[in-house]
Amino acid sequence: QQQVKQSPQSLIVQKGGIPIINCAYENTAFDYFPWYQQFPGKGPALLIAIRPDVSEKKEGRFTISFNKSAKQFSLHIMDSQPGDSATYFCAAREGFPGTYKYIFGTGTRLKVLA
Amino acid sequence: DSGVTQTPKHLITATGQRVTLRCSPRSGDLSVYWYQQSLDQGLQFLIQYYNGEERAKGNILERFSAQQFPDLHSELNLSSLELGDSALYFCASSVGLGHEQYFGPGTRLTVT
Repeated sequence: QQQVKQSPQSLIVQKGGIPIINCAYENTAFDYFPWYQQFPGKGPALLIAIRPDVSEKKEGRFTISFNKSAKQFSLHIMDSQPGDSATYFCAAREGFPGTYKYIFGTGTRLKVLA
Repeated sequence: DSGVTQTPKHLITATGQRVTLRCSPRSGDLSVYWYQQSLDQGLQFLIQYYNGEERAKGNILERFSAQQFPDLHSELNLSSLELGDSALYFCASSVGLGHEQYFGPGTRLTVT
């Protein structure tokens, strides 16, 4: 059962474009939503994260938009560069202190053309 | 470099065999998590430990087992291997349960 649905599966944009990756969830108990970036041959690396009481968070060229009522959140990459070409995973945390675990989306493969 | 180390980097073995994957967490991190990443699939959570104790299980097969040792390193044991077990296996660590996770470079397992 996929608890975090991520789309699109792949995305191609021109340099300078703004790719948008979307994630949707059903479990209202999720309390923390990180995004990870993974380059080929490497492990995922934490990019940016948001809590559900915040509607938007920016870190450099990366922005998370969070819509609690719609149970959706998205990653926007401003002024995208070829070096941003990677696979991006959204995730959601569930559980209680002592039992937390993360559920990951299926990933979006982004290619930014020069 | 996340500070999480995994060995070996690559592993090729035959069906029916048993392998052990090793993970050393970042200095100071008490939690270790194991994930499986198959082709075109996301990260599937397998199991997590905190300071030597198992704290949560995900979609881990009965043929798989793990443990975290007193020095906090962790091992994932995969037995009676099948072709479908071929995947990337990642270890991640965090300071405490639920905190940001830092992933290792992964072990690529190929079962032939």
